Amino acid sequence: GAVVSQHPSWVICKSGTSVKIECRSLDFQATTMFWYRQFPKQSLMLMATSNEGSKATYEQGVEKDKFLINHASLTLSTLTVTSAHPEDSSFYICSARSVPGQGHNTEAFFGQGTRLTVV
Amino acid sequence: QKEVEQDPGPLSVPEGAIVSLNCTYSNSAFQYFMWYRQYSRKGPELLMYTYSSGNKEDGRFTAQVDKSSKYISLFIRDSQPSDSATYLCAMSEGSGYALNFGKGTSLLVTP
Repeated sequence: GAVVSQHPSWVICKSGTSVKIECRSLDFQATTMFWYRQFPKQSLMLMATSNEGSKATYEQGVEKDKFLINHASLTLSTLTVTSAHPEDSSFYICSARSVPGQGHNTEAFFGQGTRLTVV
Repeated sequence: QKEVEQDPGPLSVPEGAIVSLNCTYSNSAFQYFMWYRQYSRKGPELLMYTYSSGNKEDGRFTAQVDKSSKYISLFIRDSQPSDSATYLCAMSEGSGYALNFGKGTSLLVTP
């Protein structure tokens, strides 16, 4: 299947600092990338949908000024957690959908996830 | 009511058993149905992807979709301890739409 690389896999930061998480599609172009958050023993909750070259669409209750998403190219999207607080500690996962016609179905492929701990 | 319902388990079976995992949904607009496997502290890994009602088989895995009942299943034959993981069903209205996930079912296959 297609490969989506997410970096870093884990990060610990101090309260009040910002953390950037990268999501790259390695062998296909992704017009759409999704960012999810997953709390322990819970399902993945969609935070935002990111389309290349346009502003991200945020789900209700997700602060766009706190979770900055940039999708500057067809292979890279970034999520920046600004002024992180302990309640932002979670598992963040990105997924990417390929451009039709690249040999992949339009199912979403997931990155490895990023474990964020804010202390 | 959540759009996608999935029993979180845990489900414990002996090695070699047939495992049946299920999800129900309420949104009749869902067209794409997926099953993902997620190991602890890892991202979900796509197992099966189906578009229409019916069965789809891939090795020991069979995905079943019944759109009339809004019910999907994943069967695992000859289960192995390495199958122990959380299995998430996911569905969407179409390409470009975000996936709606079930809570995931925790499966433990004991030797």
